[in-house]
Amino acid sequence: SQTIHQWPATLVQPVGSPLSLECTVEGTSNPNLYWYRQAAGRGLQLLFYSVGIGQISSEVPQNLSASRPQDRQFILSSKKLLLSDSGFYLCAWIQGQGNYGYTFGSGTRLTVV
Amino acid sequence: QKEVEQNSGPLSVPEGAIASLNCTYSDRGSQSFFWYRQYSGKSPELIMFIYSNGDKEDGRFTAQLNKASQYVSLLIRDSQPSDSATYLCAPRRFSGGYNKLIFGAGTRLAVHP
Repeated sequence: SQTIHQWPATLVQPVGSPLSLECTVEGTSNPNLYWYRQAAGRGLQLLFYSVGIGQISSEVPQNLSASRPQDRQFILSSKKLLLSDSGFYLCAWIQGQGNYGYTFGSGTRLTVV
Repeated sequence: QKEVEQNSGPLSVPEGAIASLNCTYSDRGSQSFFWYRQYSGKSPELIMFIYSNGDKEDGRFTAQLNKASQYVSLLIRDSQPSDSATYLCAPRRFSGGYNKLIFGAGTRLAVHP
């Protein structure tokens, strides 16, 4: 069966520090992968998506970047965090045309202080 | 106008009652629609999806879709306290060669004994 892993679960980082969040998928190949952010009391905002190794598309201008070094690995990064980067970061994947929706990872709660 | 509109709630219903959650969307090109449940501090989990106009039933849940009115709803029969969560509506859009879900901000449901 397919599973998706995210880590860490929680993170407290000072303003100006770097960030690296990792997401891996098991039990499938060539998934479409997504990074979403959910600010407190807000909806899910799509940040990045990837249809394959090295292929990254950005939805909105961010202080963030993403990379996909391997088929089942998706990384979210920042060189210098801002207070506004705080939120709940979710990785998601779909197989093929996504007829059955996304499956989300357990998320990383990031607090920038 | 937001792409996906949901009443933020909270929607308070007594145990055993029917909870009705509503969602409107702006993109007429949306072909399929997903409902996710999100418990506080957790990642969203898929409850149901619907593609065709009309009703789709799965256990205590019924999704209703009216594409002409750009309206989708979720009914929860025999509501239980364990149904207390935020419910996210997400139309699927195919754009630029990939699928993405556009999420509403969610409706918070509170089921009281």
